[in-house]
Order: sequence, then C-alpha cells, then structure tokens
Amino acid sequence: SQQGEEDPQALSIQEGENATMNCSYKTSINNLQWYRQNSGRGLVHLILIRSNEREKHSGRLRVTLDTSKKSSSLLITASRAADTASYFCATEAGSYQLTFGKGTKLSVIP
Amino acid sequence: DTGVSQDPRHKITKRGQNVTFRCDPISEHNRLYWYRQTLGQGPEFLTYFQNEAQLEKSRLLSDRFSAERPKGSFSTLEIQRTEQGDSAMYLCASSYSPYEQYFGPGTRLTVT
Repeated sequence: SQQGEEDPQALSIQEGENATMNCSYKTSINNLQWYRQNSGRGLVHLILIRSNEREKHSGRLRVTLDTSKKSSSLLITASRAADTASYFCATEAGSYQLTFGKGTKLSVIP
Repeated sequence: DTGVSQDPRHKITKRGQNVTFRCDPISEHNRLYWYRQTLGQGPEFLTYFQNEAQLEKSRLLSDRFSAERPKGSFSTLEIQRTEQGDSAMYLCASSYSPYEQYFGPGTRLTVT
C-alpha cells in the first residue's frame, strides 16, 4: 500500500522557475528519500533526509522535513527542461523497504 | 556500466505462462530489492534479500511469485501462471547501506 501522497499530482512550469512538490506520510520514519523517474525508466535517487534533520540541500535541490506534520517538500530551483520527470517521495521505517507515494509529474516548458 | 541491470527489458506473454526475470546488482551491494510499479503509481515493495537470505516478503507476493538470490549475487523473480493483473514494471534495486537504493531500468511485463 502507498505510504503517502505527493501534491500536486501534476505541475507545469516555465524553464527557470522554481518547482515545489509536497509529500505527506502516515507513520513514523527513519528517513525520507526523493527519487526521480523519467518516462518508463528506472528511478534515480536524488536526496535522503533523516528523521532528525529538518532541511537538506544538494545542488539545485532543497528538501525539508517536518516530522510533527509528517510532511516533506522538495524544491527544485531554476528548473530546466531536463528536470521534466515524475518525482516520488519514499519513506523508510526500519525494515529497509521503501514505501513510495504516487508521485508528482513535473513538466518544464522550454 | 556498473549500475544495476535487468533482463529482459520487455516481456510479452500469454496468460497462464510462466516468466522469469533476472537482476544483476551492483557488485559490492549485499542488499537486493524487488518492487512492482503499475501505471500512474509509485513502486510497491515485493521482497528483499540480504546476501542470499530472503528476509522480507510483501503480501503482494502471492504463491505464484518466487524470488531467489543464489550465492548472494544476481537474483531471479519468477511468476507462474501469469494473470493479466501481473502486467506491470518490475524494478530491482540494490544497496550497500540500508539507506540509498540504486534502481535498475526495470522489466516491463505485458500479459495478454
């Protein structure tokens, strides 16, 4: 079963704009991860944030985690056409398996 | 290429046939995972190996599904008596640590 929900389900922006995606989950977690999936292909790991961390940066990516609200957000700054993909959050709760949301489909228009 | 590889990339089979997929993880990774992804959904966990031991199985893994990882290297996922509901992308991932997982390109199964 899906652990959480990404919001919005789909997002369309102009190149150069920022994109923000949100993820909510239901149970306590050890860490939360964000993955990118290009159409019909495998997933690429973007960033991991541990439950005792509140914010993390990696290049143009910024992730926040609010464990009291059981939510996370992924911000992609200065988006590029190559960022067009589906983005998934996944939670890990101690059993090593990842539980994914349904994803946000991002379209970046050149 | 030293990433996770999966074979075949696409498989079309008729209902009732058996199919087997192979996953070759990154060589130094001792953990291997199988997930299933249907259209418009996120991946769903199926099973997990640490070395050759299968440590967890999802309720999604019915009796028709079996996975092996002999000698703790490559893994196979077999589906017996396929049903149309088995049509999905089957993803394999591997990891060394219990955190970041590296995914293969997936095997897309179509059951007609």
